[in-house]
Amino acid sequence: GNSVTQMEGPVTLSEEAFLTINCTYTATGYPSLFWYVQYPGEGLQLLLKATKADDKGSNKGFEATYRKETTSFHLEKGSVQVSDSAVYFCALTMNQAGTALIFGKGTTLSVSS
Amino acid sequence: GAVVSQHPSWVICKSGTSVKIECRSLDFQATTMFWYRQFPKQSLMLMATSNEGSKATYEQGVEKDKFLINHASLTLSTLTVTSAHPEDSSFYICSAPRAQGAYYNEQFFGPGTRLTVL
Repeated sequence: GNSVTQMEGPVTLSEEAFLTINCTYTATGYPSLFWYVQYPGEGLQLLLKATKADDKGSNKGFEATYRKETTSFHLEKGSVQVSDSAVYFCALTMNQAGTALIFGKGTTLSVSS
Repeated sequence: GAVVSQHPSWVICKSGTSVKIECRSLDFQATTMFWYRQFPKQSLMLMATSNEGSKATYEQGVEKDKFLINHASLTLSTLTVTSAHPEDSSFYICSAPRAQGAYYNEQFFGPGTRLTVL
């Protein structure tokens, strides 16, 4: 079946450090890929998405490129801030109406000043 | 962007009672909504797919008689946890997809409902 595997955390960084959170997927067909962020005490928010191979999603300084050859969608940010501390979820969905998201286990990022 | 609300945001109940959680799409219609459950420090697990005008589809291992889902209208789905027990304590999240042209699955999430069963 379809699944998402992301690196386990927690990830602890100093402010302005470079961030990479790895995500790989298994899917039959061609999914859309997402990164969601959950700040403490809040609901899920879409951070970025890519709907086809080689697409790059970007938002708030975060980027991820849909790599079909490596079935990956790694999240990167060049310079993290304390306010980026949150839980990050990689997810996929097959592009059919009424299809739910499949989530990775989440990676907790903690950024200190 | 689209807005999905949930009510209540948190609830505490006694063991054996039932709790109803509402999920509303505020500015779009959703024939399908999804209910997820999130345990502390864990990922979201899909519980069921709520379908307007028909029965919900439950994931394997989810008791349909315990977690009653009713998709009453194109903007409202409810999840009722019947005869709740402490092991049902969790964070329940709904989502609703809205068509984005040819791209179907822009999912919009509610803020979640934290259920604590004493």
